[in-house]
Amino acid sequence: NAGVTQTPKFQVLKTGQSMTLQCAQDMNHNSMYWYRQDPGMGLRLIYYSASEGTTDKGEVPNGYNVSRLNKREFSLRLESAAPSQTSVYFCASRSSSTDTQYFGPGTRLTVL
Amino acid sequence: GENVEQHPSTLSVQEGDSAVIKCTYSDSASNYFPWYKQELGKGPQLIIDIRSNVGEKKDQRIAVTLNKTAKHFSLHITETQPEDSAVYFCAATGSGGYQKVTFGTGTKLQVIP
Repeated sequence: NAGVTQTPKFQVLKTGQSMTLQCAQDMNHNSMYWYRQDPGMGLRLIYYSASEGTTDKGEVPNGYNVSRLNKREFSLRLESAAPSQTSVYFCASRSSSTDTQYFGPGTRLTVL
Repeated sequence: GENVEQHPSTLSVQEGDSAVIKCTYSDSASNYFPWYKQELGKGPQLIIDIRSNVGEKKDQRIAVTLNKTAKHFSLHITETQPEDSAVYFCAATGSGGYQKVTFGTGTKLQVIP
């Protein structure tokens, strides 16, 4: 079991460029999440998906879109990147039996 | 929505001493309180959790206590070891059930050998 995988690990963008962060889990979990982590601010929820075909906004959704492609995959898209989106992005999936969230290794994004 | 405050933001202890991290939450409907450990360059990993029908839970050197009346919960690590050095996050569910959690801002624990 690979758990939760994320690609890419690192990315540098220029302001205005777009990109998609990929996430996949092999634990057959229904719920998946995207967080951003900034110094001193903990983990803040961007979007989540309670099940295949549904997505909901979290605490900081502005500037992002998501797609729950199937049960395994949940992608995060930045349509027009801004320096304020420089952050480390984590994807997670949740076990419905234990409520434990399992996190991927993260994507470090820098927007110049 | 739920608001979780975590203290201290940094904590240094000598190896073998105990470490305590405290969190408070605002939503009395919160019923699930996980703690995550994040090592450098990695994603957070659950180390222990507690539900609102329990006051204390232990797992070897780690324990969590919950005071629902005061709306605070704490992580206790005894006999600290250098490998305990990491960032620790508390979290609470809020009124949305188990689907979402709100995280505290983190505590960077340094265990000095």
